Amino acid sequence: AQTVTQSQPEMSVQEAETVTLSCTYDTSESDYYLFWYKQPPSRQMILVIRQEAYKQQNATENRFSVNFQKAAKSFSLKISDSQLGDAAMYFCAYRSAMAGGGADGLTFGKGTHLIIQP
Amino acid sequence: DAGVIQSPRHEVTEMGQEVTLRCKPISGHNSLFWYRQTMMRGLELLIYFNNNVPIDDSGMPEDRFSAKMPNASFSTLKIQPSEPRDSAVYFCASSYGGLNTEAFFGQGTRLTVV
Repeated sequence: AQTVTQSQPEMSVQEAETVTLSCTYDTSESDYYLFWYKQPPSRQMILVIRQEAYKQQNATENRFSVNFQKAAKSFSLKISDSQLGDAAMYFCAYRSAMAGGGADGLTFGKGTHLIIQP
Repeated sequence: DAGVIQSPRHEVTEMGQEVTLRCKPISGHNSLFWYRQTMMRGLELLIYFNNNVPIDDSGMPEDRFSAKMPNASFSTLKIQPSEPRDSAVYFCASSYGGLNTEAFFGQGTRLTVV
């Protein structure tokens, strides 16, 4: 079974600064997908960014980018120019690419609570 | 699109009572997932359906939990009888095919069993 570990229960960053959230995972599979989800106080789970394991290029979405190190099984999220609206819980998630149809569920880490200091 | 719709948003019930949580996935999506979120265990997959058929229910904690998907636009998660340790936020999510598709989450149902 796959596991996802987020070692930082809480992180704090000054507004406009850059912060990096860590995530490591354990799997014996060679093909899979990785995701970062954001959960603000409203409870809504919002997809921030995703990465296909077969792609060497790191995914980028505006101020959000990842550092995907497949050999090290590491998938960190970098948030540049932090904004007050970025304050939330951030979850790293894994999904296998082995099953057909993409119907497999996500395996989540325990989350990192990101605080933005004004 | 209204997104994934869950009801109720909040539910408070007494121990031993039956609880039914409801989910309407996004129209056209063929996969539906039920997750449970607690402080201790984080987000856990309970069960998922593909084309209305349950594919994997290994995450369902006990026989007290059951889930159905009678059609492509509706699913229920039932707990009978409920216990205080079932208190959690229950999320429903849906996605459409493919190996790289995004799962869209509902806003969750916060269940409190007293």
